[in-house]
Parts: sequence; structure tokens; C-alpha cells
Amino acid sequence: GEDVEQSLFLSVREGDSSVINCTYTDSSSTYLYWYKQEPGAGLQLLTYIFSNMDMKQDQRLTVLLNKKDKHLSLRIADTQTGDSAIYFCAETNAGKSTFGDGTTLTVKP
Amino acid sequence: KAGVTQTPRYLIKTRGQQVTLSCSPISGHRSVSWYQQTPGQGLQFLFEYFSETQRNKGNFPGRFSGRQFSNSRSEMNVSTLELGDSALYLCASSLPGGGTDTQYFGPGTRLTVL
Repeated sequence: GEDVEQSLFLSVREGDSSVINCTYTDSSSTYLYWYKQEPGAGLQLLTYIFSNMDMKQDQRLTVLLNKKDKHLSLRIADTQTGDSAIYFCAETNAGKSTFGDGTTLTVKP
Repeated sequence: KAGVTQTPRYLIKTRGQQVTLSCSPISGHRSVSWYQQTPGQGLQFLFEYFSETQRNKGNFPGRFSGRQFSNSRSEMNVSTLELGDSALYLCASSLPGGGTDTQYFGPGTRLTVL
């Protein structure tokens, strides 16, 4: 079945770049997603990438996709303390999303 | 457009009771999916409804059920509650055929079973 894996923790200094990595198994996924979850809240859609793209940039966010290795990454430039949260990558097929366990990003002042 | 709404936001029940959670999708969205989030198991897919029909189902016992109404609003029901059902229940809506199948999530219902 589908499986998505992420590293669990990342700590950076304010102003640095953060890179969160993810690997997935379902090669039929057309789109891959990044969500952000703050304490006590639901999932906020950050960005997504079409599977035939290598890169997508959206303001401070850059998504890189290596389809051959089934590897997805999210780069956050100029990371701020407000970026501290849990980040999930997900693949979606026919109304069902499979999520990684989430990467807890801690941003230190 | 208003986002996905879920009611109630918080719920406390005791073992053996049943509970019904409600989800109103984004206007025009016809697919609603439900997820359970717990610290131990992470985000797990429960089921997905499209045009009042269950299209996809996760690996949960029959105590978990759902339905969708003609206006696309959805409810999920958990009967005979167990302590392990304590979780954040999230619903998401999407517009199948819109190209991306992107899911937009509500704030969740926090269920505590005592």
C-alpha cells in the first residue's frame, strides 16, 4: 500500500533556511502536498506540486520533487518563529490522502 | 468562500456512548473525507464520500460509520466508544475533477472519551 516517510524533528535558527524531506511509495500520485499544523489546529494547505514538475516556488516556499527517487522536499527561506509547527507531506488519490508522521520544526530566535 | 466547518469543536463522552460529528464542506465541493489523528497513529484515513456514496474506506472497525447528504454535508458516527477513540477528527473537502483533487481541511473536532 501507500507509505510516506518523513524525519521527525528539525531545529533551525531564525533567518536560516529549513529543509524538510519526505519519501513516498505510490508512483501513481498525480499531486503531492505539504500541510502545516499548528498546536490545536487543523491542517493548513501550504503548497502542492504536480508530479511532472521538478520544482515549484511560492514566495518563501520551494518544493523539489525527484520522481525517480520518490523524494519530495520543502524548503522554507528566511525561517521565522511563526513557522514553528508540524509539517506533513501527503499524497492523494481518489479522495484518500496518505500522510507522513510529520516533521516538527522548531525555530530558535 | 467559507472554509470547511466542523461541529462541535470539542466533545467529551464516556465509554460505551455514541457520538455524531458534522462537517460542512466548502461550497461546491462534493467530496468529503474523514481522518483520525492521534499521537500514536498519526493521521489515518477513515472514509470518503462523494455524491452521497462511500467511495473509499480505511481500516477501521464497523463502529465507525458515516454518511453524506444531498447538500454534501457529511456526518460521521462512532458507536460504543472506547478510550482509544479519543482523537482529533478532521474532515476535508475537495472538488474531484477540478484537476488537483486538493483536500482542504476543517479545524477538527477534539473527542475525549473518559
